Amino acid sequence: GENVEQHPSTLSVQEGDSAVIKCTYSDSASNYFPWYKQELGKRPQLIIDIRSNVGEKKDQRIAVTLNKTAKHFSLHITETQPEDSAVYFCAASRGNDMRFGAGTRLTVKP
Amino acid sequence: KAGVTQTPRYLIKTRGQQVTLSCSPISGHRSVSWYQQTPGQGLQFLFEYFSETQRNKGNFPGRFSGRQFSNSRSEMNVSTLELGDSALYLCASSFEYFTGELFFGEGSRLTVL
Repeated sequence: GENVEQHPSTLSVQEGDSAVIKCTYSDSASNYFPWYKQELGKRPQLIIDIRSNVGEKKDQRIAVTLNKTAKHFSLHITETQPEDSAVYFCAASRGNDMRFGAGTRLTVKP
Repeated sequence: KAGVTQTPRYLIKTRGQQVTLSCSPISGHRSVSWYQQTPGQGLQFLFEYFSETQRNKGNFPGRFSGRQFSNSRSEMNVSTLELGDSALYLCASSFEYFTGELFFGEGSRLTVL
């Protein structure tokens, strides 16, 4: 089945800096890549997703890039704010199987 | 529109017992998936049901089982509980699991003593 690796496991940045989280996947047939944010004590929520026919997608301060050849995709958060502090999960789906990365704990220091 | 509801929210069991967790999806969603969340392990996929059929299963022992009813509500059962089964169990519903947004419940926190 699909295997998703996510790095780093923890990330600490100063408010206003950018944060980048990277994921690699194993199955070249994967075609859907969502990112979920889980704030402390809350449920995971979708923040952005990308499909294999698109190389980049942006939504205000967050963006996701996909490199199908290298089989990796990344989440970029610009101008980080304390409320961005959370655990972020990437996932990869190939139509009949979706797997999540182990998560990245992002801390934004004021 | 009501969100995904999981019951019970908290429960404590002892080793060897069994437990049943329930998940009511968002109205109209036919896919329900289950995850085990433990510190440092992320979201481990258990299984996914669509229209009462299990379509996919993760790498968990046979002690973990589930089912889905005709109204899309789902249950998961863990038999012969072990200490390592202590975790937050999340369910998520979606219109279509593999290519659409998952809406998670708040989870059922299981503690095994």
